[in-house]
Amino acid sequence: AAGVIQSPRHLIKEKRETATLKCYPIPRHDTVYWYQQGPGQDPQFLISFYEKMQSDKGSIPDRFSAQQFSDYHSELNMSSLELGDSALYFCASSLGGWNTEAFFGQGTRLTVV
Amino acid sequence: AQTVTQSQPEMSVQEAETVTLSCTYDTSESDYYLFWYKQPPSRQMILVIRQEAYKQQNATENRFSVNFQKAAKSFSLKISDSQLGDAAMYFCAYRSSDEKLTFGTGTRLTIIP
Repeated sequence: AAGVIQSPRHLIKEKRETATLKCYPIPRHDTVYWYQQGPGQDPQFLISFYEKMQSDKGSIPDRFSAQQFSDYHSELNMSSLELGDSALYFCASSLGGWNTEAFFGQGTRLTVV
Repeated sequence: AQTVTQSQPEMSVQEAETVTLSCTYDTSESDYYLFWYKQPPSRQMILVIRQEAYKQQNATENRFSVNFQKAAKSFSLKISDSQLGDAAMYFCAYRSSDEKLTFGTGTRLTIIP
């Protein structure tokens, strides 16, 4: 069965650079969530999209932006990267919004050096 | 690859009663961590309880306890004296020795007043 696909799996960037993370939800899923998990921390909710519109916003820095495209894939853009942005970034998808089964991707590990 | 399975998409319990959420996982590792996260409407992932695989004693946090059966690869969450504030999505998660985190698909818990 198709799962949530995140790319790249690993990414190394230098400070002040820009990074783009991609998330491809399960086919027909209309909702995408982004989470950031720093070392030794719980996943922190960043942002979510439902039917290509932002549905909720969490603790996402102003340097980050995200969008959901017509094919429902989502991209998280991070600019002016800081060392503290080093984390595992999870994407999850679901059908019908929050409070339904959510399928998580394997995550993208971003390392800022 | 590790997999985490939550076979109950939805559960409901009467207020003040006890409910058990199921989680099974598949792994070939002997050392790992298991977690239960609560996802309220804020979308935050709140750590409920954690279990180290090498510890035989089941973890307990106030009204929350787990039944960890390592041989059976089972990790169920018991919520005693259910409260209205316990209503949320609950995710079971597995963390491998290389820090990779794998989530189940979640169980929606409804508390009936």
